[in-house]
Amino acid sequence: SAVISQKPSRDICQRGTSLTIQCQVDSQVTMMFWYRQQPGQSLTLIATANQGSEATYESGFVIDKFPISRPNLTFSTLTVSNMSPEDSSIYLCSVDGGGVQETQYFGPGTRLLVL
Amino acid sequence: ILNVEQSPQSLHVQEGDSTNFTCSFPSSNFYALHWYRWETAKSPEALFVMTLNGDEKKKGRISATLNTKEGYSYLYIKGSQPEDSATYLCALYNTDKLIFGTGTRLQVFP
Repeated sequence: SAVISQKPSRDICQRGTSLTIQCQVDSQVTMMFWYRQQPGQSLTLIATANQGSEATYESGFVIDKFPISRPNLTFSTLTVSNMSPEDSSIYLCSVDGGGVQETQYFGPGTRLLVL
Repeated sequence: ILNVEQSPQSLHVQEGDSTNFTCSFPSSNFYALHWYRWETAKSPEALFVMTLNGDEKKKGRISATLNTKEGYSYLYIKGSQPEDSATYLCALYNTDKLIFGTGTRLQVFP
């Protein structure tokens, strides 16, 4: 298992600004994932972050809007850039337990409201 | 685009009632189905990972079944308690990623 912490836990931001969310894991992991859940929607994968390489973004998400850093095997950041009210969501990071039969472990999430 | 659907969207039950909800997914190229429980302000918590057709898994009062041929999984809660109130998510494992349904929000009233 893995214990994951996220900062901040919640924030209220003005449109046009940017917010960086931090994700810290208590053990070294290869893959980290960033998800978003907009109100009433499913948890949607934004990107997969591997240490030492550029993040892989899912369809509909771009690096300019959601730049990701992965400086080591226990830490990652997601920046939500030039925010609009549509970016109001819960943002979660997770790590892979490894393999098809392994669960993912999630952080507690960052609740973002953009005014 | 793979589509994972959950029903009902929300459910209100009395303490002691048993309840169940459904997760539907494409039956082709199946690898695994995950169930998670997500309480407000907490991390989603893994309940089950199911891989074989006919699988049935149990954790306390919660159990789940899997039918990969017809593309559905049921989650059952026996004798619901207020602490079972949460959103229950299912997710289809596909090429190193999880594709989530929108969840079933369960509220159990004392």
